[in-house]
Amino acid sequence: EAGVTQFPSHSVIEKGQTVTLRCDPISGHDNLYWYRRVMGKEIKFLLHFVKESKQDESGMPNNRFLAERTGGTYSTLKVQPAELEDSGVYFCASSQSVVTEAFFGQGTRLTVV
Amino acid sequence: QKEVEQNSGPLSVPEGAIASLNCTYSDRGSQSFFWYRQYSGKSPELIMFIYSNGDKEDGRFTAQLNKASQYVSLLIRDSQPSDSATYLCAVNMNRDDKIIFGKGTRLHILP
Repeated sequence: EAGVTQFPSHSVIEKGQTVTLRCDPISGHDNLYWYRRVMGKEIKFLLHFVKESKQDESGMPNNRFLAERTGGTYSTLKVQPAELEDSGVYFCASSQSVVTEAFFGQGTRLTVV
Repeated sequence: QKEVEQNSGPLSVPEGAIASLNCTYSDRGSQSFFWYRQYSGKSPELIMFIYSNGDKEDGRFTAQLNKASQYVSLLIRDSQPSDSATYLCAVNMNRDDKIIFGKGTRLHILP
């Protein structure tokens, strides 16, 4: 069974450009989480989907970040326009329910120059 | 108080000894607790998942949960150099169902 997959694995963009990250959760997992780790800091929660609905988006830094999960399957996280401080590793995780373990994708390393 | 707290380390442990990693959390109603291992440049990998008070053992790993003290720990027996990594404690917060991570503890097993 495939795990959580993320695309791309790396992205280097210029400040002001737009980038879209994609996450494919484990099949059947209703819960999908986005996290970010900037250099030297801890993993920070961004938002939580239950199926296609945003359960909690309290961790989204600002309105330059937009997450979607149309149809309750894969999710995208768009950053527009990107700023230098957006650089970091963006992780996606999925779980069957909120009380079961969450499995992580390999992450997308975003570098904004 | 931070929601999930860990000592950032580094924690140095001789090979073959027991490594003890600790974590405290603020939300008394939290239900589920996770330990992840993260090697440099890699994604977090789930090691243990615990939700009942007491001990849960899996191979060389033992997770201990004390909800009254809001404390969860991870013991690694017979530490190996390959155990050297950052260990992340994660807690499923009861109030809003999101999973919050601690900063992680860097563990270094000395050969």
